[in-house]
Amino acid sequence: QVQLQESGPGLVKPLETLSLTCTVSGGSINSRDYYWAWVRQHPGKGPEWIGYIFYSGGTYYNEFLESRVTMSLDTSKNQFSLKLTSVSAADTAVYYCARVLRSGCSGGNCYYFDHWGQGTLVTVSS
Amino acid sequence: EIVLTQSPATLSLSPGERATLSCRASQSVASHLAWYQQMPGQAPRLLIYDTSNRATGIPARFSGSGSGTDFTLTISSLEPEDFAVYYCQQRSNWPLTFGGGTRVEIK
Repeated sequence: QVQLQESGPGLVKPLETLSLTCTVSGGSINSRDYYWAWVRQHPGKGPEWIGYIFYSGGTYYNEFLESRVTMSLDTSKNQFSLKLTSVSAADTAVYYCARVLRSGCSGGNCYYFDHWGQGTLVTVSS
Repeated sequence: EIVLTQSPATLSLSPGERATLSCRASQSVASHLAWYQQMPGQAPRLLIYDTSNRATGIPARFSGSGSGTDFTLTISSLEPEDFAVYYCQQRSNWPLTFGGGTRVEIK
């Protein structure tokens, strides 16, 4: 059973860079069958997709955050990472890493999130 | 961006009752819609994908229907562990988006 675990600072100062890492166990991120994503959730709101990365290193970001987001992966450690620059209080949220299905759906790639990390709260405050 | 509107915001029911949750899309998403369950303090869990397909390990009391812009998640007979928040998510257009959620609470 694949498991994902987020790690990183829980407190980031305004205008600094938020950096999180997701460690995957029970499965390889070096797989054509999945994308690896970051999703965040503000208190009391629905989740918000940030972006995903493929095993090849290719990325796709939510256009609303694209100018501030960078994702990368380290296949040797079975990890992928998120960097979000110039953060503000609006970036305070629970951040999740998740596995994204690529196959098994009608009409092509699935883009559904079938496994999630437990989430980590990141607070932006001075 | 496709906006997903879920209703009602809160559903108050008793164990054993039937729950019917709605998700409406601002434009057609064909059948490309999923449902997730989120317990307090936990990550969302995939229940249903592509409108009506149950994810691995999901009980048969959960079912989904709809197409285009109107979708429904039905829980045929609520178990105590079903009281949670439910979200829909579309994959038809970028960016991937989620609804605002429906809370199913114990009456």
